[in-house]
Amino acid sequence: DAKTTQPTSMDCAEGRAANLPCNHSTISGNEYVYWYRQIHSQGPQYIIHGLKNNETNEMASLIITEDRKSSTLILPHATLRDTAVYYCIVRVTYNTDKLIFGTGTRLQVFP
Amino acid sequence: NAGVTQTPKFRVLKTGQSMTLLCAQDMNHEYMYWYRQDPGMGLRLIHYSVGEGTTAKGEVPDGYNVSRLKKQNFLLGLESAAPSQTSVYFCASAETLNTGELFFGEGSRLTVL
Repeated sequence: DAKTTQPTSMDCAEGRAANLPCNHSTISGNEYVYWYRQIHSQGPQYIIHGLKNNETNEMASLIITEDRKSSTLILPHATLRDTAVYYCIVRVTYNTDKLIFGTGTRLQVFP
Repeated sequence: NAGVTQTPKFRVLKTGQSMTLLCAQDMNHEYMYWYRQDPGMGLRLIHYSVGEGTTAKGEVPDGYNVSRLKKQNFLLGLESAAPSQTSVYFCASAETLNTGELFFGEGSRLTVL
């Protein structure tokens, strides 16, 4: 299964863009990249996903490099409520269909 | 529409005891998953199901069994609890992962003494 690597923690000033990187150098051609976040000890919350094109929704943007070996989640205007652990995940679909979480990046948004 | 409901939310067990965690979803989802999360760690997949009557092993299946007899329910069983199974357990469901969204329950905190 493809693995993801993320920085352990990051800080961001409120109102600024938060750019969270993720490395997935062993990703296969048909494997999607997903982003979830977990606030405190709640269940994770879906943010966005993509295959090879950049994606945008009301929460965030996802930029995937052309070689698909890495991606960046962008929160355009971070707020204090965006403080959470952000997980970059590769969806494994070969003979299965599952999301394998890594250890995530703890994003701290400060005033 | 309650979404994904887990019961119980808290439980303390003694080593060797057995118990079952129930996950119920009212969204008619095909896919259901059980994860565990240890302190300071990400979620690890225990078992999952891609439809009624089917189950499959995830990353850390040892010591757990599951059943999906009804589409809306996914049960996680511990036959002989061990302290290493102290964790927070999350259940999740999805219509299909193609849409991206996995809906999570609030978690069940299990302590094994």
